[in-house]
This record gives sequence, structure tokens and C-alpha cells, in this order.
Amino acid sequence: EIVMTQSPATLSVSPGERATLSCRASQSVSTNLAWYQQKPGQAPRLLIYGASTRATGIPARFSGSGSGTEFSLTISSLQSEDFAVYYCQQHNDWPQFTFGPGTKVDIK
Amino acid sequence: EVQLVESGGGLVQPGGSLRLSCAASGFTFSSYEMNWVRQAPGKGLEWVSFITNSGSTIYYADSVKGRFTISRDNAKNSLYLQMNSLRAEDTAVYYCARGRYYFYYWGQGTLVTVSS
Repeated sequence: EIVMTQSPATLSVSPGERATLSCRASQSVSTNLAWYQQKPGQAPRLLIYGASTRATGIPARFSGSGSGTEFSLTISSLQSEDFAVYYCQQHNDWPQFTFGPGTKVDIK
Repeated sequence: EVQLVESGGGLVQPGGSLRLSCAASGFTFSSYEMNWVRQAPGKGLEWVSFITNSGSTIYYADSVKGRFTISRDNAKNSLYLQMNSLRAEDTAVYYCARGRYYFYYWGQGTLVTVSS
């Protein structure tokens, strides 16, 4: 099983600041990686797939990068609606999908 | 507009059974692979099961293999999850999600609580 880890567990950021979240895979997943945003009481929402492609309707302030085992999600200027938990997910080991434990982005 | 609406959750005793349903609308259901993904209270996301558009190929996470059965009825635009031999650790919100490699659309989830 490919194990996904995320850091930090919690990221405290002020509105308007830049946030960078990290995701690491226990073995290479190429660019077969997605990012999701989840707000309290809501279902996850797909943000990024293929490591760097934004899903439909996702603002340009969200960007993804990386390949192999190291990935990052950057939010260039945090808006109030961006405070949430973010998960990465690999599908290189299809169909044994695995998610990271999440990074909570909260208000500093 | 794509909509996925889960139902069938509730409180069940350990060892019991429950059947979840997911009603799909706003897209051609028979053309898409579907999944069940769950989230234990306060925890992260765990993929549970996958089914191809025709229902001919099915996969499960090891944690539910032999106990859960995924199925679909394309004529009714519906996805199902039959859950047997339920355990306390199966307590979670269960989401249906569309996608082959990643999960583009999600339902709002249905809560399953396994407790005596």
C-alpha cells in the first residue's frame, strides 16, 4: 500500500497570505495525485488532479506541483472561504486509492 | 447539474447489516465509474469500493473485502453498498463519488453508526 503523509498537520495563516501545503508518497506515484478541500459538514471538493491541473471552477489562486514522491499545494492569497482541511490522494496504485491524513488551514 | 444523493444510513448493532443507496442525476450514469468513500468521525478519508460503468469490474479495500458488496442499477441511475457483519470501526459518513482515478463529484454523505 502506498502511504501518503501531509505536513504540517495544521497551518495557521492570515487572510491574504500565501500558504504552501506538502504531501509525500511512500513510493513514486508519478503525477497521479489529486488534492481536495473539505469544509466542516461538507463533502470534499476536488481542487487539483494530475498533480497540477485545476478542476473546473477552481480559482487560479490554487496551484499544485510536484511529481514522484513530493507534492505541494499552494494557495497564493488566502481568502476567508479557503480555511478548511486539505487532503491529497494518489491513484498510481489504482484502484487501491489512498489519501493523506489532511492539513487543516486555520486563521492566524 | 450533477447530483449524488446518498440514503440508507442509520444506527445498527455490531454484526448487523445495512444497505446504502446513491441516486444520481444530471449526467449519464451508465457512462461513469463510481466509488464509495468513507470518513470516520473527526478522521480522514478512506476509499471503500469501486465499480465500473457496466458493473463488470469491482474492487474493494482490504478493510471491507468479504463483508461489503457494491452494485449498481443503471436503469435506475443508482449505486448501492450492501454492508454485512458491521463492526464499530465501520462507523463513518459514507460518500458516493464519481470518477475512475480521482473523485470529481461527491454526494453529501450518509452517516452509519455501528453501536450496541
